Amino acid sequence: NAGVTQTPKFRVLKTGQSMTLLCAQDMNHEYMYWYRQDPGMGLRLIHYSVGEGTTAKGEVPDGYNVSRLKKQNFLLGLESAAPSQTSVYFCASRTSGVETQYFGPGTRLLVL
Amino acid sequence: QQQVKQSPQSLIVQKGGISIINCAYENTAFDYFPWYQQFPGKGPALLIAIRPDVSEKKEGRFTISFNKSAKQFSLHIMDSQPGDSATYFCAASGRNTPLVFGKGTRLSVIA
Repeated sequence: NAGVTQTPKFRVLKTGQSMTLLCAQDMNHEYMYWYRQDPGMGLRLIHYSVGEGTTAKGEVPDGYNVSRLKKQNFLLGLESAAPSQTSVYFCASRTSGVETQYFGPGTRLLVL
Repeated sequence: QQQVKQSPQSLIVQKGGISIINCAYENTAFDYFPWYQQFPGKGPALLIAIRPDVSEKKEGRFTISFNKSAKQFSLHIMDSQPGDSATYFCAASGRNTPLVFGKGTRLSVIA
């Protein structure tokens, strides 16, 4: 039981490049979330999903897209990376009816 | 608009002392108030949580105090230990509102 895993752990991008971050969970959770963490800013919700095939915008969705084609996976895409997207990205999941979110280890992204 | 305000930003406490972190919220529809603990290089993990039907919840050395009328809640860490050194986030959510986090408090417990 690996919990929540994130791929990759670290990535360097040039401005304008695209990439996809993968989040996978093996707990059969319905809800999945993508957050970004910046110094002094806490965790801010980018997008989330309440079930397979659904997505919704969070607090800071601009510049990101997501997809939840399979229940266990939640993908975060950056179509054209900008330096302002340099951050640590965390994925989390939870089961319906239980508020506790389980976080992955994070992906550190540097956009030059 | 910051929905959950957390203070202080950083805190230094002597070993054995009491660490206190405060949070205030604005949305009266919030009905779930967790605290998450994050160690360097790791993802946050739930520490303790409370719902507004009780004013206090205690789990070991960790206690949440909740004041519904003031829209404030706080985390107390009794007998603070160096192993408690981490970043703590308060958060709040409601039925139709996803979890909103405070900006975090970096706690250092020194011997």
